[in-house]
Amino acid sequence: GAGVSQSPSNKVTEKGKDVELRCDPISGHTALYWYRQSLGQGLEFLIYFQGNSAPDKSGLPSDRFSAERTGGSVSTLTIQRTQQEDSAVYLCASSHSGLGYTFGSGTRLTVV
Amino acid sequence: AQKVTQAQTEISVVEKEDVTLDCVYETRDTTYYLFWYKQPPSGELVFLIRRNSFDEQNEISGRYSWNFQKSTSSFNFTITASQVVDSAVYFCALPVDSSYKLIFGSGTRLLVRP
Repeated sequence: GAGVSQSPSNKVTEKGKDVELRCDPISGHTALYWYRQSLGQGLEFLIYFQGNSAPDKSGLPSDRFSAERTGGSVSTLTIQRTQQEDSAVYLCASSHSGLGYTFGSGTRLTVV
Repeated sequence: AQKVTQAQTEISVVEKEDVTLDCVYETRDTTYYLFWYKQPPSGELVFLIRRNSFDEQNEISGRYSWNFQKSTSSFNFTITASQVVDSAVYFCALPVDSSYKLIFGSGTRLLVRP
């Protein structure tokens, strides 16, 4: 597609439920990133996928967070047993090489 | 450790005023990139500029200009003749340890009033 597409744009969930956030990167972009933007923490790196290499998961805040990238394209970020502190905007970005990021509009997650 | 500081939390100006957004960084890398992103109310982070530390020339793009000073570890962003559409949060960013991971400053919210 023309840009990075994220769905849903907004998600409200009850504490303890699992959620899945989806990212469709720009076609042909081999690198995909997830960031989280929250009021108290600013923008934080979560995870990075590059081609067929093992992902860099060093930014995931807990084992309740996981992400997959299927077929080198679409990625899903899953948060299990959501907590209120997970409320944030989750931003996905993709790039063709290295640092030329293009960000999506994000998914605003609210845990009630 | 790498760090990006945007000391100005919020700036309010009247349309047509010039405004400068400050960014100070710390890095142990000898070569590095610096970035500016704009986040309008829609939420999407829009890439504005990437600057290599080798190149200290100021850059101008329309009403936007950037002043990179390695000696003071600053990469400031100036908007000339600001417009209401410039209202957004602006982020300065730096890669961690020459990697693909960016660390962002806390952002400066710019409000341009008509």
